[in-house]
Amino acid sequence: QSVLTQPPSVSAAPGQKVTISCSGGSSNIGKNYVAWYQQTPGTAPKVLIHDSNKRPSGIPDRFSGSESGSSATLGITGLQTGDEADYYCGTWDSSLSAYVFGTGTKVTVL
Amino acid sequence: EVQLVESGGGLVQPGRSLRLSCAASGFTFDDYAMHWVRQAPGKGLEWVSGISWNSGSIAYADSVKGRFTISRDNANNSLSLQMNSLGAEDMAFYYCAKDVSPTILVVGGFDFWGQGTLVTVSS
Repeated sequence: QSVLTQPPSVSAAPGQKVTISCSGGSSNIGKNYVAWYQQTPGTAPKVLIHDSNKRPSGIPDRFSGSESGSSATLGITGLQTGDEADYYCGTWDSSLSAYVFGTGTKVTVL
Repeated sequence: EVQLVESGGGLVQPGRSLRLSCAASGFTFDDYAMHWVRQAPGKGLEWVSGISWNSGSIAYADSVKGRFTISRDNANNSLSLQMNSLGAEDMAFYYCAKDVSPTILVVGGFDFWGQGTLVTVSS
């Protein structure tokens, strides 16, 4: 049972915007950096956001990360069919002394 | 180009041991912390263990503590995971992942991942 909770699924039409929430607590999101990962079937996860709001080179600015208190949000604008994937948030939990992942969210492009 | 290549996965009987390796290239290995992350088929991601750049800080998930041992060899740019007393709950793809930070005390995220190696536990 993960300490980070995400909605199981979100969907939107091409070109629209979706947001994925990641709810945690004061010992994880409220205290440490958050990362967001994208995973398509049969492939390794790929980082979209690290250090809470930094995009690696090659990741388009359609992807953005934000935080408020003990929750984090991934925003995807200009949704494309290629964005269909599972998305996970992750952060260090200072109480557990462990890295924790969210429950995962499946994005569907209608 | 950063490359992380895992090896050592396979079929193992319950209660036996297995050692995974990860060969790293394309970056200064001893500048970064490294981690193992696993994923059971059809399930979510589960962090297994992490080690800081100089092996000074090591952490494990509760689910593997006391059974798994992470180590690194900076001279040979390699990461290892010794897994003992394996059970059905350990069956998963195991990924080697590079941290953006040198220490596991401040984990910014994992910016590069290997392709994964499958561990199957069955009699």
